[in-house]
Amino acid sequence: EPEVTQTPSHQVTQMGQEVILRCVPISNHLYFYWYRQILGQKVEFLVSFYNNEISEKSEIFDDQFSVERPDGSNFTLKIRSTKLEDSAMYFCASSRTSGSPDTQYFGPGTRLTVL
Amino acid sequence: AQTVTQSQPEMSVQEAETVTLSCTYDTSESDYYLFWYKQPPSRQMILVIRQEAYKQQNATENRFSVNFQKAAKSFSLKISDSQLGDAAMYFCAYRSAYSGAGSYQLTFGKGTKLSVIP
Repeated sequence: EPEVTQTPSHQVTQMGQEVILRCVPISNHLYFYWYRQILGQKVEFLVSFYNNEISEKSEIFDDQFSVERPDGSNFTLKIRSTKLEDSAMYFCASSRTSGSPDTQYFGPGTRLTVL
Repeated sequence: AQTVTQSQPEMSVQEAETVTLSCTYDTSESDYYLFWYKQPPSRQMILVIRQEAYKQQNATENRFSVNFQKAAKSFSLKISDSQLGDAAMYFCAYRSAYSGAGSYQLTFGKGTKLSVIP
């Protein structure tokens, strides 16, 4: 069964450093998403992406964040200058469409630790 | 904005017994989708079941079923014949059915941690 994959599974970085989290969505999916989950808290939406552009973003997704689909398979989240409060689990998700009750399938997550 | 509330931070159930996890939501929309996701210790989010708001019939998936009460804005998950592998965090999530702002994102509750006692 196709699945969303994410690398790395765990990333440790120093405050102020740039990180890139990578995701490979399911191959025939067209909509891509990033969510984050701070430890012990709810999962929060960051951004959705379709047709090579952002379709929606939350208040959390400020100028330090960016997303990109550099090739036909990868979908990346870049955090330009990490802060301590960026420490969280970051989940990538994809769906075939945005309409109907189309399900978002989640990857296993990347645990980001900012020191 | 929509909100999702899960009032039970933790629940436990004996193996082979039935447990119900609660979820309520607040929305002014009439058409939307509701989901239950499971997050085991591995932290991967796994879809358990989904419900379209326009459908009166409650969704079922094997041992998992929902009790969808649209007027009460309630969406509970029932797990029958609980198994050790059901132990996980369970998240209720809402998604608008309308296009436009807010239509893509899932809004999650805080989760309920389910323990299964052998």
